[in-house]
Amino acid sequence: AQTVTQSQPEMSVQEAETVTLSCTYDTSESDYYLFWYKQPPSRQMILVIRQEAYKQQNATENRFSVNFQKAAKSFSLKISDSQLGDAAMYFCAFESNTGNQFYFGTGTSLTVIP
Amino acid sequence: DGGITQSPKYLFRKEGQNVTLSCEQNLNHDAMYWYRQDPGQGLRLIYYSQIVNDFQKGDIAEGYSVSREKKESFPLTVTSAQKNPTAFYLCASSWGTQTAYEQYFGPGTRLTVT
Repeated sequence: AQTVTQSQPEMSVQEAETVTLSCTYDTSESDYYLFWYKQPPSRQMILVIRQEAYKQQNATENRFSVNFQKAAKSFSLKISDSQLGDAAMYFCAFESNTGNQFYFGTGTSLTVIP
Repeated sequence: DGGITQSPKYLFRKEGQNVTLSCEQNLNHDAMYWYRQDPGQGLRLIYYSQIVNDFQKGDIAEGYSVSREKKESFPLTVTSAQKNPTAFYLCASSWGTQTAYEQYFGPGTRLTVT
């Protein structure tokens, strides 16, 4: 089975600063997909960004970008110019190419300090 | 608006009673999923369904049952056999499971059993 590890249960960042959330995963597959989801206090899960393992270029969505290191099985999320609305729980997720199941990490709670 | 609805938002039951959580989607998605979320444990897969009248157990299926009689509906029954049913339950859907697609989530149901 695949495993996803988020080693930072809590992180904090000053408003307008940059923060990086870590995620590592374990798989024997070569083709797969990785995701970061955001869960604000409303508890609605929102997709932040996705990365296909076969793509070498790191995905970017506005202020959110990833650092995908396939050999190291690492998939970190960088949030630039942090805003108060970024405060949430962030989950890293892995999906194999067959698309049968998602595997989620335990989450990182991000606090944004005004 | 297209989306996933879960009702009710909060549900209270007495121990020993079965309870059914509803999940409806109008996104025309083929695949649907049920997750359980507990503090510090991320999201754990209970059941998933790829097509109507077919479903598979996830990692923590014991004490739960599902049905998929219609494409848009995937209700979850928490039975009295589930030892720790109090949790936050999330329903999700995606275009399919034969290839990787992101999952879209409902707003969740908080179940409390006393």
